[in-house]
Amino acid sequence: DAKTTQPPSMDCAEGRAANLPCNHSTISGNEYVYWYRQIHSQGPQYIIHGLKNNETNEMASLIITEDRKSSTLILPHATLRDTAVYYCIVRVDNYGQNFVFGPGTRLSVLP
Amino acid sequence: GAGVSQTPSNKVTEKGKYVELRCDPISGHTALYWYRQSLGQGPEFLIYFQGTGAADDSGLPNDRFFAVRPEGSVSTLKIQRTERGDSAVYLCASSLTASGRDTQYFGPGTRLTVL
Repeated sequence: DAKTTQPPSMDCAEGRAANLPCNHSTISGNEYVYWYRQIHSQGPQYIIHGLKNNETNEMASLIITEDRKSSTLILPHATLRDTAVYYCIVRVDNYGQNFVFGPGTRLSVLP
Repeated sequence: GAGVSQTPSNKVTEKGKYVELRCDPISGHTALYWYRQSLGQGPEFLIYFQGTGAADDSGLPNDRFFAVRPEGSVSTLKIQRTERGDSAVYLCASSLTASGRDTQYFGPGTRLTVL
């Protein structure tokens, strides 16, 4: 079973920041938080991941709370092309560890 | 650079037939993973390879499913005696190594429909 809880759906206005929450209250010390997204009819696309510290790349920012029990993915200026299902996954730092996907959050960016 | 590619993009077959699905990982990636995604759900792990060997096949649903990676690059997922319940999108992912710190990059998937 997935170890994360996400809202099933969210809307965001085009050009505004999209803040996608994720709860992972049972996360352990050697588990990373990963975010992927899946645009309709495509494979999952890697966005960002982190362990403790906040992370930022060209796609998004990841804010992890100090107790690591929740995180937020931020898309700073959402566009229509960001409409997708967003998956938050915790993954232990073990050799060969696969990802366990939950149902994710369906983000709709509205014009 | 080239990402993970999968062929065919779509496969329609009849119940009871045999199918092969192919995955070309990113060049130089030693770890390769297969997942299956049913409609409206997230991907589910099937099997992973480190090099040529299947290091973890715990996600394969039954013995009709088999996968190979003979030269440590291209992998083929084989399904015997297909059933309607096998209809899904089959996704392949690769990572530089099997380290838990290496990101997996996914291909576009093969949509399998069993009639």
